[in-house]
Amino acid sequence: DIVMAQTPLSLSVTPGQPASISCKSSQSLLHSDGKTYLYWHLQKPGQPPQLLIYEVSNRFSGVPDRFSGSGSGTDFTLKISRVEAEDVGVYYCMHSIQLPLTFGQGTKLEIK
Amino acid sequence: QVQLVQSGAEVKKPGASVKVSCKASGYTFSDYYMQWVRQAPGQGLEHMGWINPNGGGAYYAQKFRGRVTMTTDTSITTAYMELSSLTSDDTAVYHCARGPIVGALGSFDYWGQGALVTVSS
Repeated sequence: DIVMAQTPLSLSVTPGQPASISCKSSQSLLHSDGKTYLYWHLQKPGQPPQLLIYEVSNRFSGVPDRFSGSGSGTDFTLKISRVEAEDVGVYYCMHSIQLPLTFGQGTKLEIK
Repeated sequence: QVQLVQSGAEVKKPGASVKVSCKASGYTFSDYYMQWVRQAPGQGLEHMGWINPNGGGAYYAQKFRGRVTMTTDTSITTAYMELSSLTSDDTAVYHCARGPIVGALGSFDYWGQGALVTVSS
């Protein structure tokens, strides 16, 4: 199974400041079809998860452009350019290159 | 718009079974896998498996094989996840999630609201 390791596990950010979350996979997520199957989901308090970023760097419909994803192979980063209060929650990276699908442990974002 | 509406909370005794439903709307049901993900209290996300509504093929994560059955009823665009031989470790919120398109690799793009299953004697 592919292990997804996120850091940090929690962070506290002042509104308007940037935030960054790292996700490292134990195997490359680059498929032979040329796509990299790395995703970011956000679970806001009391809500189900929601897709933020697909295939490393593509924002899902309705996701603000302050969210961006980058990386390749086994190292990936989610960045929030200017954190807003509505961004609080737990961020999960996830791969889908092979079965079983696995998630990172989650990174809890709080507002200072 | 895509919607996944799940059944309500359940309380079960150890050893019992639970069946959670997920009513889909706003898209062609048979075009997308339906995934199931669970989240124990205060814990992260755990993928249980998926079902192909178009033909019924399914994948179950090894941890759940022998205890989980995923089915669909395309006539009412509803997916089901049944888990048997429940223990307290199965206390969790069970989410359905859509995607990817059948035959493709990819992630889930829409999630159900979750159904809390509590296992307690």
